[in-house]
Amino acid sequence: GNSVTQMEGPVTLSEEAFLTINCTYTATGYPSLFWYVQYPGEGLQLLLKATKADDKGSNKGFEATYRKETTSFHLEKGSVQVSDSAVYFCALMWDDYKLSFGAGTTVTVRA
Amino acid sequence: NAGVTQTPKFQVLKTGQSMTLQCAQDMNHEYMSWYRQDPGMGLRLIHYSVGAGITDQGEVPNGYNVSRSTTEDFPLRLLSAAPSQTSVYFCATTGETGELFFGEGSRLTVL
Repeated sequence: GNSVTQMEGPVTLSEEAFLTINCTYTATGYPSLFWYVQYPGEGLQLLLKATKADDKGSNKGFEATYRKETTSFHLEKGSVQVSDSAVYFCALMWDDYKLSFGAGTTVTVRA
Repeated sequence: NAGVTQTPKFQVLKTGQSMTLQCAQDMNHEYMSWYRQDPGMGLRLIHYSVGAGITDQGEVPNGYNVSRSTTEDFPLRLLSAAPSQTSVYFCATTGETGELFFGEGSRLTVL
């Protein structure tokens, strides 16, 4: 089946630290891959996406590269801020807009 | 420009009661879906609709009904609430590029 496994949290970092959240997937075919972010008390919103192998998605200083050979889509940011504190979800899209989500990783950035 | 609006934001039910979570969108998207979010499990698809008059089951449909009489509205009905349905529920629409647009969520507690 189609599924996503992402690094369990919680993750606590200091401001300006490097953040990486691992995400691997299992899928038939070539799904699109997404990272969604959920700030406290809000719904999820799209952070970035990649639709084919070797694509790099980027937004707000975050990046993730679609690696078909390792079936991975790891999220990275070089220097986090307190405002990056949120829950991050990796997801893959299959079969006409259906999404499978990872369990989510809670990230807390301390000043 | 409301996007996706869910009501109510909070609800407490007793076991066996029924209720409807409302979802309305003004984005003119055909595809709508309902997810539930539980700790450590990410988001799981309950039901979805590819257009008015068409609905289908997702990953965890038991205990829930949906209907789609208009493009704008996609209510989720709990027929006889159970404690296992305590969760946060998100309604979403899907844009042409596959991006999901989420409502702010409805937190349901079943006692």
